[in-house]
Amino acid sequence: GENVEQHPSTLSVQEGDSAVIKCTYSDSASNYFPWYKQELGKGPQLIIDIRSNVGEKKDQRIAVTLNKTAKHFSLHITETQPEDSAVYFCAASPGDYTGRRALTFGSGTRLQVQP
Amino acid sequence: EPEVTQTPSHQVTQMGQEVILRCVPISNHLYFYWYRQILGQKVEFLVSFYNNEISEKSEIFDDQFSVERPDGSNFTLKIRSTKLEDSAMYFCASSGTGRNYEQYFGPGTRLTVT
Repeated sequence: GENVEQHPSTLSVQEGDSAVIKCTYSDSASNYFPWYKQELGKGPQLIIDIRSNVGEKKDQRIAVTLNKTAKHFSLHITETQPEDSAVYFCAASPGDYTGRRALTFGSGTRLQVQP
Repeated sequence: EPEVTQTPSHQVTQMGQEVILRCVPISNHLYFYWYRQILGQKVEFLVSFYNNEISEKSEIFDDQFSVERPDGSNFTLKIRSTKLEDSAMYFCASSGTGRNYEQYFGPGTRLTVT
């Protein structure tokens, strides 16, 4: 089955700096890669996703890149703010029409943005 | 903005008891999921449900677990005989069909088995 590795496990940055979180996956059948933000006591919140036919996607201060050949994808947050502090999870899924949509999650990155 | 809701927010039960966790998915979604997260660990997939049947399940989802869509709005997870190791946060999620793969998660139910 799919295995998703995520690094780093913790990341501390100064407000205004950029943060990068990296994930690798093992199953070449995976072609949907979402990122979730989880705040304390809450459920995972979808913040951005990318599909295998796209190399990069941006949404304001957040961007995700995908290298399908190397089987890795990354989350980039620019101009970090204290409210970006949370645990971030990457995930991978086949996302296909046969109904295989189960997300395999990485182990999470605790991002702390210092004011 | 539509959201997934879950009840209860916290459930405490004794080992061996049955529990039912409830979810109301986003109204026009047709895929429903249960995931769990043991404290401090990654989120793990349990089961997905589409067209009134299970479409995928993980090794965790054994005979002690079952899912049901008893009416047009609720989606439930039943654990027949809880074990200590079932203690976790249980998240319900839902997504659309076709190429709408985005899964939206509820706030979770914290299950504590004593």
